[in-house]
Amino acid sequence: NAGVTQTPKFQVLKTGQSMTLQCAQDMNHEYMSWYRQDPGMGLRLIHYSVGAGITDQGEVPNGYNVSRSTTEDFPLRLLSAAPSQTSVYFCASSFLGTGLDSPLHFGNGTRLTVT
Amino acid sequence: QKEVEQDPGPLSVPEGAIVSLNCTYSNSAFQYFMWYRQYSRKGPELLMYTYSSGNKEDGRFTAQVDKSSKYISLFIRDSQPSDSATYLCAMSEGAQKLVFGQGTRLTINP
Repeated sequence: NAGVTQTPKFQVLKTGQSMTLQCAQDMNHEYMSWYRQDPGMGLRLIHYSVGAGITDQGEVPNGYNVSRSTTEDFPLRLLSAAPSQTSVYFCASSFLGTGLDSPLHFGNGTRLTVT
Repeated sequence: QKEVEQDPGPLSVPEGAIVSLNCTYSNSAFQYFMWYRQYSRKGPELLMYTYSSGNKEDGRFTAQVDKSSKYISLFIRDSQPSDSATYLCAMSEGAQKLVFGQGTRLTINP
């Protein structure tokens, strides 16, 4: 099993450009989520999904879109990149959610710089 | 004020020392408490989890939760250089949103 796979590993964008960060998992997990990690801020939840066709907002959703058409994939779209979106983005999945017997499995991140 | 507060450190201790990492929180509805470890350039991985107040031990690691004080701790005994990483506390009310602390960067010096 590959676990949670994120692509690309690194990306540089100019302000105003759009792009999609890819996330795929092969563990048949229903729950998937996107976090951003910034120095001094920890991990902050952007969007999450509890199953195909179901998504909801987290703590910092503005400027990002998601969709969940399959169980395996949960792409994150930046509509018009801004320097404030420079960050490390992590995708995570779990079998049932964020409860006790359902640990989150993280990918290794996408490092995004917006100039 | 953030829902979860964690001293970012950095924290540097000699090999073999006992390490204490702590988080405080403000949301009394949190019921699941976890510690994640993150090595440089990697995603976080679950280290320990617990539910409600009390202690949980796993090898050299002990997680402690005091819900009355809204305070959780992670203790590392006989610390090793391989324990050098960033440690993140995390907690949730239910099954949908996990809230993380800022993370504490720990270095164990040989």
